[in-house]
Amino acid sequence: EPEVTQTPSHQVTQMGQEVILRCVPISNHLYFYWYRQILGQKVEFLVSFYNNEISEKSEIFDDQFSVERPDGSNFTLKIRSTKLEDSAMYFCASISDIQEQYFGPGTRLTVT
Amino acid sequence: SQQGEEDPQALSIQEGENATMNCSYKTSINNLQWYRQNSGRGLVHLILIRSNEREKHSGRLRVTLDTSKKSSSLLITASRAADTASYFCATANFGNEKLTFGTGTRLTIIP
Repeated sequence: EPEVTQTPSHQVTQMGQEVILRCVPISNHLYFYWYRQILGQKVEFLVSFYNNEISEKSEIFDDQFSVERPDGSNFTLKIRSTKLEDSAMYFCASISDIQEQYFGPGTRLTVT
Repeated sequence: SQQGEEDPQALSIQEGENATMNCSYKTSINNLQWYRQNSGRGLVHLILIRSNEREKHSGRLRVTLDTSKKSSSLLITASRAADTASYFCATANFGNEKLTFGTGTRLTIIP
């Protein structure tokens, strides 16, 4: 069964460093998303991406964040200059043609 | 209250019993989806119910949706120890289908 994959599973970085989180959505899906979950809190929407552009972004998704689909399979989230409060689990998701949204296993980002 | 709030926050039941979790939301939705999350892990899609549907089944799962009350329930029948997890409802808007998650119900099945 196709699934969303994410790499790395865990990323530790120092404050101020750039990180790139990678995702491979399910191949025939057209809408892609990034969400994050700070430990013990709700899952929060960051950004949606369709037809090679951002379709919606949340207030969290400020100028430090960017997304890209560099080729036909990868979907990346870049954080330019990480802050301590960026520590969270980051989930990528893609949506099927019947609107079921499937999530990857997540990348745990730890900013020290 | 916020969009997508589950109750109870925590539920402990004996293996074999049924578990019911509820979710309330505030705005109009296109669909509502339920997810399971084991501690520190990813979100597993369980079931989607559309705004024009009232009930849906999948294996031991039964989901209801009452759009007039803006609420949904997830029933897990004949619970198993492996059902121990957090369960979240998430509502999808019309348009780009972004999901708004609830706070989750922590379900513990006692063997």
